[in-house]
Amino acid sequence: GDSVTQMEGPVTLSEEAFLTINCTYTATGYPSLFWYVQYPGEGLQLLLKATKADDKGSNKGFEATYRKETTSFHLEKGSVQVSDSAVYFCALLFRPGSQGNLIFGKGTKLSVKP
Amino acid sequence: EAQVTQNPRYLITVTGKKLTVTCSQNMNHEYMSWYRQDPGLGLRQIYYSMNVEVTDKGDVPEGYKVSRKEKRNFPLILESPSPNQTSLYFCASSDRRKLFFGSGTQLSVL
Repeated sequence: GDSVTQMEGPVTLSEEAFLTINCTYTATGYPSLFWYVQYPGEGLQLLLKATKADDKGSNKGFEATYRKETTSFHLEKGSVQVSDSAVYFCALLFRPGSQGNLIFGKGTKLSVKP
Repeated sequence: EAQVTQNPRYLITVTGKKLTVTCSQNMNHEYMSWYRQDPGLGLRQIYYSMNVEVTDKGDVPEGYKVSRKEKRNFPLILESPSPNQTSLYFCASSDRRKLFFGSGTQLSVL
């Protein structure tokens, strides 16, 4: 069945370091792909998304490109800040128009040290 | 302010004592859902609702009930809680473009 695999954490970086969090997926058809972020003590919120191959989602300095050939949607940021410390979830939607069918990865905890 | 409100934020209970976690959204969303978050397992869907009086099972529905009598509310009911239901619970609603999450309910069943 459809699934999402993301790199296990935790990931600890120094401020201004480059971030990559890997995400690969298995799906039939052409899913939409998402990154959600969960800050400490809060619920998840959408960070960025891409709905078709070669789309690049971006927000708050984060980027991710939908790579159909490698079935990947890796999250990157050129220079992380302490405020980026959070848990990041990759997700895929296999039924367009219905967010209820989001499949989440297990999450990757990021800690950024000053 | 658009939001999803869950209550309570923290709950400690004992095995077998019925409890309800409330969820309310003020965005007139048709879709609502409940998830549980456990270390190493990520988010797993418990139940979801596509509209009033329409609910369906997610991935882990055993031991839970829901109801959707009105659009804004989607309570999660544990008729006889057990320790394996100790978890962090999130309610969410959707406008078809993204999910809006509540702040979570940390439940401990002793």
